[in-house]
Formats: sequence, C-alpha cells, structure tokens
Amino acid sequence: AQKITQTQPGMFVQEKEAVTLDCTYDTSDQSYGLFWYKQPSSGEMIFLIYQGSYDEQNATEGRYSLNFQKARKSANLVISASQLGDSAMYFCAMREELSNFGNEKLTFGTGTRLTIIP
Amino acid sequence: GAGVSQSPSNKVTEKGKDVELRCDPISGHTALYWYRQSLGQGLEFLIYFQGNSAPDKSGLPSDRFSAERTGGSVSTLTIQRTQQEDSAVYLCASSLVAARTQYFGPGTRLLVL
Repeated sequence: AQKITQTQPGMFVQEKEAVTLDCTYDTSDQSYGLFWYKQPSSGEMIFLIYQGSYDEQNATEGRYSLNFQKARKSANLVISASQLGDSAMYFCAMREELSNFGNEKLTFGTGTRLTIIP
Repeated sequence: GAGVSQSPSNKVTEKGKDVELRCDPISGHTALYWYRQSLGQGLEFLIYFQGNSAPDKSGLPSDRFSAERTGGSVSTLTIQRTQQEDSAVYLCASSLVAARTQYFGPGTRLLVL
C-alpha cells in the first residue's frame, strides 16, 4: 500500500522568505507521480505542481518547485518569496492506478498548515 | 462553468436521515472522483467513475454509501441513515481520461447532528 508522510503539522514563515514543506512517500511501484495541492480556508483543493517518477528534472511552476530525491523517497515543496496569500493547508499526494482505464486515485498526506507572517 | 461545482455547499442533517450530494464535473472530463475529508485529516478516496460506470467502489466506508453518475456528467453521492461520524467535507474531482491532474470542486460540508 502506498503511504504519504508529512511530518510538519504547522509552519510559520516570515513574508518574502522561502519555505520548504516536507513530504516522504512509500511505494513499491516503479512508475508513480507526486502532487502538491493547496487548500485555503475556502476549502477548495488547488493543484500546484506534479512530478513524475521518471522525470529527470525537478518540476517548477512559477514560485513553486519540487525538490525530488528519488533515492530518499522525498518530494518536498519549495515556495520562493512567500506571500500572505500562501497561507493555507498544503497536501502532498501520490497517484495510484485504479484500473486498466488509466485513471488513478490519489493518496494524500495529513497536510501542513502554512502561515505567512507579515 | 469553468470548474467543478458541488451542491449544496453546506448541509446540516439529523442522525438517521438520508442525504444527497451533487457534483457537476468540468465539461468534457470523463473521470469523476469522490473523496472525504474529516476534520484535521487528509483526503480519503471513496469512489471513482469512468463515464457512467464505477469500476472501483473499494473506498466506500459502508453499504450506507452509494453513488451514481448519469449521462457521463453529473454524479450524486447518497448517504443513507446518516451517522455522526459521517460529518466531513465531501470533495468531488474530475479529470480527462488518463490525465494526471484531478481538479477539485469546493466541497460539501456535511454536519450530522
């Protein structure tokens, strides 16, 4: 069974500083994918970034980058130049194939609550 | 609409009543997923649809939970004889076939008294 571990229940970061949110995973699959989602107080899950297990380079999307260390089974999210609007819950997730249709379910970690301090 | 929509946004019900939660996926997305998020927890997979069929129901927590999807679009999650432990946020997501990214709706907050 797949498992996602996020060991930081909460973090406080000064505005404009960079922040790293930790995520480790466990899987026996050779092919897998890792996601980060942001969940603000409104409750909606917002897709941030994706890393495939065979991707050679770390994924980047604007201020978000994913520090993928395959041997360590870690996929940390790095947010550069944090902003007040970054305050939210952040979830790391891993995809798992469900059927021959090629669709997948996501297994989520318990999340990290990030608070940006002005 | 541009995104996944869900209704109602909030639902308060009494223990033992049945509830129906609705999800309208992004137009053209054939895959639809239901997840449950209990207070302070991550998301728990419930069920997914490919078109109108649900080949994987392994995540449904009990036989009080059922879901259907008609016309390959709107889905309804039904909880019969609700219990207090059913209180949670129920999130729906959709994706293109074999696409990697699931897009989530705003969720329905269910409170069972």
